[in-house]
Amino acid sequence: NAGVMQNPRHLVRRRGQEARLRCSPMKGHSHVYWYRQLPEEGLKFMVYLQKENIIDESGMPKERFSAEFPKEGPSILRIQQVVRGDSAAYFCASSPGQTNEKLFFGSGTQLSVL
Amino acid sequence: DAKTTQPNSMESNEEEPVHLPCNHSTISGTDYIHWYRQLPSQGPEYVIHGLTSNVNNRMASLAIAEDRKSSTLILHRATLRDAAVYYCILGTYKYIFGTGTRLKVLA
Repeated sequence: NAGVMQNPRHLVRRRGQEARLRCSPMKGHSHVYWYRQLPEEGLKFMVYLQKENIIDESGMPKERFSAEFPKEGPSILRIQQVVRGDSAAYFCASSPGQTNEKLFFGSGTQLSVL
Repeated sequence: DAKTTQPNSMESNEEEPVHLPCNHSTISGTDYIHWYRQLPSQGPEYVIHGLTSNVNNRMASLAIAEDRKSSTLILHRATLRDAAVYYCILGTYKYIFGTGTRLKVLA
């Protein structure tokens, strides 16, 4: 049973470009969560999605960031016009459904903005 | 979300038990207590969680104080592979990971 798959593992972008991060949840999981980890800090919640719905985006920056989880295919975290401050590790997690269940995390995407 | 307080770092000898403390004095009655750990360059890994009663699984035990204002993660026999940052977290999915406790295991 494959775990949560994130790709790419490393992503390098120049300032002003777009970054697309992909996350395939574990089989049977319909809930996806995105977290960001800045250097030397703990993970911070960004957004919680179910298939075709954004449930909670209270942790998302107001501009340039968006997330989706389409009916078919992986969840996508999209960062437009990246800046140096966006450099971080972005982790995706999934769960079967109910809150307070354990989350299964992927290995993350390390985004570096030059 | 309620806040947790953990020591920055701890050390343990291999094969010995480790007790990792966590204070959460502002915990609400419905907050679950979760523990995750993170190895370098990896995503967090679930360890254990509980609400009021002590919990055991194959990885660890969780001891929860009667007033729920603190809890302790117990690794019964530390191995080198247990060296990681351990996070104590409250609530549901909107986790605030904080800086956790960096556990060093000495051979």
